Amino acid sequence: DARVTQTPRHKVTEMGQEVTMRCQPILGHNTVFWYRQTMMQGLELLAYFRNRAPLDDSGMPKDRFSAEMPDATLATLKIQPSEPRDSAVYFCASGKRDRGGLQFFGPGTRLTVL
Amino acid sequence: KNEVEQSPQNLTAQEGEFITINCSYSVGISALHWLQQHPGGGIVSLFMLSSGKKKHGRLIATINIQEKHSSLHITASHPRDSAVYICAVHGYSGGGADGLTFGKGTHLIIQP
Repeated sequence: DARVTQTPRHKVTEMGQEVTMRCQPILGHNTVFWYRQTMMQGLELLAYFRNRAPLDDSGMPKDRFSAEMPDATLATLKIQPSEPRDSAVYFCASGKRDRGGLQFFGPGTRLTVL
Repeated sequence: KNEVEQSPQNLTAQEGEFITINCSYSVGISALHWLQQHPGGGIVSLFMLSSGKKKHGRLIATINIQEKHSSLHITASHPRDSAVYICAVHGYSGGGADGLTFGKGTHLIIQP
């Protein structure tokens, strides 16, 4: 059955290192979202794409975060350089606009920056 | 920005009890989602509502657009319903699958 996949599932890195998280949306879905979850802030929207075009990345710290969709089967979220405050679970979700906004979440990437 | 408030933050109940979780928001929306997050961390979309009521098994979700309020009900609650329930809304910016604004979640524990 169709699922959103994310890699890696866990990542531990040192402050200053580059981190790349990957997401494979469900085939046929034209909208991809990146969310971040922390204990303090809960779930927050970082960025989203429709038909591979970035529509909103206002939730993302621009100086260190970047999100791209090189093709319809891959979305990436990069942090460079990483900081301890970036430690969180990063979720990718995908959806089809003609389904009225229902979103399907991936399992998340748990990032720890030491 | 839409402010999404959920209540209660924490709820412990006995198996079989009727559960109600509430969500209110500050700005008009195009749709509201109820999500379930299990202790393992996975997030599942339970309902998407823009009006009225939806039912799936023992779960019922209602929304009152005029009052900017939604409720999630669980009938005949079971320990496997223990999870965090999250309310999320999206506004009118282009409609369809746009980014969500989330409540802080309600941590539900159902004791046997």
